[in-house]
Amino acid sequence: GDKVKQSPSALSLQEGTNSALRCNFSIAATTVQWFLQNPRGSLINLFYLVPGTKENGRLKSAFDSKESYSTLHIRDAQLEDSGTYFCAAIASSSFSKLVFGQGTSLSVVP
Amino acid sequence: NAGVIQTPRHKVTGKGQEATLWCEPISGHSAVFWYRQTIVQGLEFLTYFRNQAPIDDSGMPKERFSAQMPNQSHSTLKIQSTQPQDSAVYLCASSGDWGGQDTQYFGPGTRLLVL
Repeated sequence: GDKVKQSPSALSLQEGTNSALRCNFSIAATTVQWFLQNPRGSLINLFYLVPGTKENGRLKSAFDSKESYSTLHIRDAQLEDSGTYFCAAIASSSFSKLVFGQGTSLSVVP
Repeated sequence: NAGVIQTPRHKVTGKGQEATLWCEPISGHSAVFWYRQTIVQGLEFLTYFRNQAPIDDSGMPKERFSAQMPNQSHSTLKIQSTQPQDSAVYLCASSGDWGGQDTQYFGPGTRLLVL
């Protein structure tokens, strides 16, 4: 089965609203990264997390290694937040490779 | 800081031809990773170098794919006898790799199309 499972797979948000994306891990994740893939295909770094939380502007992310999940909260969604969000984890059993989820396709509409 | 540089950005090859993809990591980064992205499989790990030494190639197809890192400023991914199923975006990433874990920064990718 999927080692990193993201939900939802797709999401449409009205501008100015809030939402949360989630990743569940079936591997022993030690660190998590969140990325936004823009329409040109570039992976933009959002967060690098050890267990705990981080905040950057309208984005906030948390990683709970004991419960094996991570979340990304988007506050006051803007049109430029549209794209595909990926979470990826490094497992304690692997060297340094990222294991990616399948992504959440986010569309922010006026 | 130019970020991770990948060339070419697009490559079209005929079935059976060879393709070589280039990656220049961020200066000072000791780890280089190669990933592949397809619609069906998503983002998959291929291989990883630390201080130019191959560390993990568990994601590399055993035939036709090879990767090298001849110096700290570039890595290559070579695909021999390309097949249509090799069509994908190939992504290179680099990191400082402190203790084996650090933020990975991705290049823009090389979009490979095998006809």
